[in-house]
Amino acid sequence: AQSVSQHNHHVILSEAASLELGCNYSYGGTVNLFWYVQYPGQHLQLLLKYFSGDPLVKGIKGFEAEFIKSKFSFNLRKPSVQWSDTAEYFCAVNRNNNDMRFGAGTRLTVKP
Amino acid sequence: DAMVIQNPRYQVTQFGKPVTLSCSQTLNHNVMYWYQQKSSQAPKLLFHYYDKDFNNEADTPDNFQSRRPNTSFCFLDIRSPGLGDAAMYLCATSSSGTMMYFGPGTRLTVT
Repeated sequence: AQSVSQHNHHVILSEAASLELGCNYSYGGTVNLFWYVQYPGQHLQLLLKYFSGDPLVKGIKGFEAEFIKSKFSFNLRKPSVQWSDTAEYFCAVNRNNNDMRFGAGTRLTVKP
Repeated sequence: DAMVIQNPRYQVTQFGKPVTLSCSQTLNHNVMYWYQQKSSQAPKLLFHYYDKDFNNEADTPDNFQSRRPNTSFCFLDIRSPGLGDAAMYLCATSSSGTMMYFGPGTRLTVT
């Protein structure tokens, strides 16, 4: 079945550690890719997006993601996490047909 | 400035008592979505409107209905809420399937 997969359910890091969260999708054709963040008790916010062009995209708060078409992946990275990055992170894929699908989410806990 | 507004933010209803959640937008986007998000789970798409065209997900229960009387407003009706329908309900908008803007959500409690 077509899906969006986030392999890590819960990631625990110390401050200043590097972060990489995996996201893979199984849809063919043209896709738009997103990472959303949901801080505790808050609504979903867009971190970054990829529509076309440079496959390395930079978002807010020092996050970046790389689209690798051959691997159907869109992994999220941050070189040095902070305690305030503790949140739930969702990868999402839009297939240009108004159909946005989310991955199951990865909970990131950053220990001070 | 609020762009996607959901009312109420918190809704308590009784088992089996119909409830309506409201969403409005100031973005003039043609697509509006309703998602259900349960604790520690991904948002699950219930349905979306492309202009006036209604698109229901195959696994959305018949208990859930939606209305979009105009571009700005969209409603989620739960005809007979069960305990399993307690969740956060998210409204989102987009301009023809590009970036989505989410509202703050309505947290529904069923007693």
